[in-house]
Amino acid sequence: QAQLVQSGAEVKKSGSSVKVSCKASGGTFRSHIINWVRQAPGQGLEWMGRIIPVFDTIHYAQNFQGRVTFTADKDTDTAYMEMTGLTSDDTAVYYCARHDVVATILAFDVWGQGTLVAVSS
Amino acid sequence: IVLTQSPGTLSLSPGERATLSCRASQSVASNYLAWYQQKPGQAPRLLIYGASNRATGIPDRFSGSGSGTDFTLTISGLEPEDFAMYYCQNYGYTPFTFGPGTKVDI
Repeated sequence: QAQLVQSGAEVKKSGSSVKVSCKASGGTFRSHIINWVRQAPGQGLEWMGRIIPVFDTIHYAQNFQGRVTFTADKDTDTAYMEMTGLTSDDTAVYYCARHDVVATILAFDVWGQGTLVAVSS
Repeated sequence: IVLTQSPGTLSLSPGERATLSCRASQSVASNYLAWYQQKPGQAPRLLIYGASNRATGIPDRFSGSGSGTDFTLTISGLEPEDFAMYYCQNYGYTPFTFGPGTKVDI
């Protein structure tokens, strides 16, 4: 059964950086797009962008352009999201979610469990 | 594309029918509109993709309809486990967007 397993919670200081991992299992990493979605406390879902490992293609949402970097290690089936210049506004749960690269109608069918990033001053 | 969901909160009883609306600011490409359910402390779960297709393992009391800019999620006969937050999502062209959500509570 396909799963995405994310790294554990992080507590960071303002101005620092964080790197969250998302490891895929039970499926073919190369046939999927990995999306990143943010959810601030008590708020809705915000799409941050995506990486398509098989094509080495990356798209960033405008709100995160320049401050977030997505990478993927095809040898370990692991995707990464790194965010720099953290502020308290970045305190949120960060999710990775899978999207089939061919059957794109299938939407985000598998989600990671989420990683809480707490930023303190 | 900006998605608007209504109502913000829907207060119903078990067994009742829930009708949730999602309206897009422009036509959703190829009806790539999805619905997700989220419970507190959990990741979202895909319910409906392509506006009207149930995802694997989703009970048939959940149904989606609509096209273009107006979409509906219907839950026929609420079960206790259905009380949750529901989000619609445009995933046709990037940037993908989510609606603000509808909370279905007792």
